[in-house]
Amino acid sequence: SAVISQKPSRDICQRGTSLTIQCQVDSQVTMMFWYRQQPGQSLTLIATANQGSEATYESGFVIDKFPISRPNLTFSTLTVSNMSPEDSSIYLCSVHRQGALNTEAFFGQGTRLTVV
Amino acid sequence: DQQVKQNSPSLSVQEGRISILNCDYTNSMFDYFLWYKKYPAEGPTFLISISSIKDKNEDGRFTVFLNKSAKHLSLHIVPSQPGDSAVYFCAASGGSNFGNEKLTFGTGTRLTIIP
Repeated sequence: SAVISQKPSRDICQRGTSLTIQCQVDSQVTMMFWYRQQPGQSLTLIATANQGSEATYESGFVIDKFPISRPNLTFSTLTVSNMSPEDSSIYLCSVHRQGALNTEAFFGQGTRLTVV
Repeated sequence: DQQVKQNSPSLSVQEGRISILNCDYTNSMFDYFLWYKKYPAEGPTFLISISSIKDKNEDGRFTVFLNKSAKHLSLHIVPSQPGDSAVYFCAASGGSNFGNEKLTFGTGTRLTIIP
């Protein structure tokens, strides 16, 4: 299994400010995925981060709002910029790895963000 | 456009009975399916997966069934236990290299096991 350390676990932020979420994996991975789960909704992929290149963003998400860094194969950050209350969500990082029997996606514990 | 759908937002089952959670998908390119369980304040944890070359996969109390023609999968938990109370997400992936493919998630079903 993969151990993913994500921080902060939660934060309350003022609108207009930015928050950077960090994700550390216990071993090297090619891709890291950033998801958002808005209240009562599904997990939605924000972007895929590949080390050494720019992140690939899904429809509806842009780099200016959600800049991502991937400085090495075990670490990534997601910044939520110029926050508004609509950005209040749980943000999750994820990696894919071969488990004992299956290929699995592992998740960090999530960052619960509240924007006031 | 919701490509993976879980039409039941909640389900209550008596302890010891079978829990059946359902999931439908629309994208015929999906060929790998996973179920996740999520407790509050935690990230999703992997339960079981199935490839499109199979129609059934079993792991202990958990069995996933896949009906490709109907684009439908289900998760069976038997016997259900109080610790199974959580939100369950199905997820789907397409492409030949799951390691680099994104997951598309359903909206989740909140399962409550009644002691």
